[in-house]
Amino acid sequence: GEDVEQSLFLSVREGDSSVINCTYTDSSSTYLYWYKQEPGAGLQLLTYIFSNMDMKQDQRLTVLLNKKDKHLSLRIADTQTGDSAIYFCAESIRGYQKVTFGTGTKLQVIP
Amino acid sequence: NAGVTQTPKFRILKIGQSMTLQCAQDMNHNYMYWYRQDPGMGLKLIYYSVGAGITDKGEVPNGYNVSRSTTEDFPLRLELAAPSQTSVYFCASTADRVPYEQYFGPGTRLTVT
Repeated sequence: GEDVEQSLFLSVREGDSSVINCTYTDSSSTYLYWYKQEPGAGLQLLTYIFSNMDMKQDQRLTVLLNKKDKHLSLRIADTQTGDSAIYFCAESIRGYQKVTFGTGTKLQVIP
Repeated sequence: NAGVTQTPKFRILKIGQSMTLQCAQDMNHNYMYWYRQDPGMGLKLIYYSVGAGITDKGEVPNGYNVSRSTTEDFPLRLELAAPSQTSVYFCASTADRVPYEQYFGPGTRLTVT
C-alpha cells in the first residue's frame, strides 16, 4: 500500500536549523514534495525533488532523498518565526494523477 | 488569476442534511481533487477528476458524490450528513507540467451536529 509517515511535532529555537523527516513505502515514486500549510490556509508547494536526485538546495531549504531507505528530509537553515507551519511530505506515483500526503509535521519556532 | 476558490468557508449542518461544496479554478487545469483533513491524520483523497465528464473515487468516497461538467468547476455533494464528516475540505488542481504542483483552495470547515 501507499503510506507516507512523518513525526507530528517539532520545536526549534529561532536561528537554529530544523530537520523534518519523512518515510514512504512506494519505491516507484517519481516526484517527492514538501508542502507548507499556514494556519487557516490551504497547502502550498515549498519544494520538490525528482526521484533520480539525492539532494536539492533552494536558498534556506535542503532536501535529501535516500531511495534505499525510502527516506526524505527537509532542512530549513536559520529557522524564522515565519516558518512556523505544518509541513507535509508527499509522493506521486505512476504519473502525477494522484499524490499521497503524509500526516504533516507541525513546526513550532520559539523566539 | 484567482487560482482555486472554494465556497463556503464555514458551514454547520445538522445530521441528515445535504449540501454542496463549491470549487472552481481558472487555470485551465485538467486534474482536480477533493481532500478532507482531519486533525493529525493528514489529507485523505475523497474523489478526483482527470477532465470534464470523468471522475473517480479516492480513498474515502463513501457519503460523497462529485460531478465535473466543465473544466473549471468540481462540486462535492454531501448527502445525509453524519458527524464523521466533520472536517476541513480542500479542493485542489494540478498543473499539467513538471513538477505537477497541486494548487489548493483555502478550504471549507464543515461541522455536522
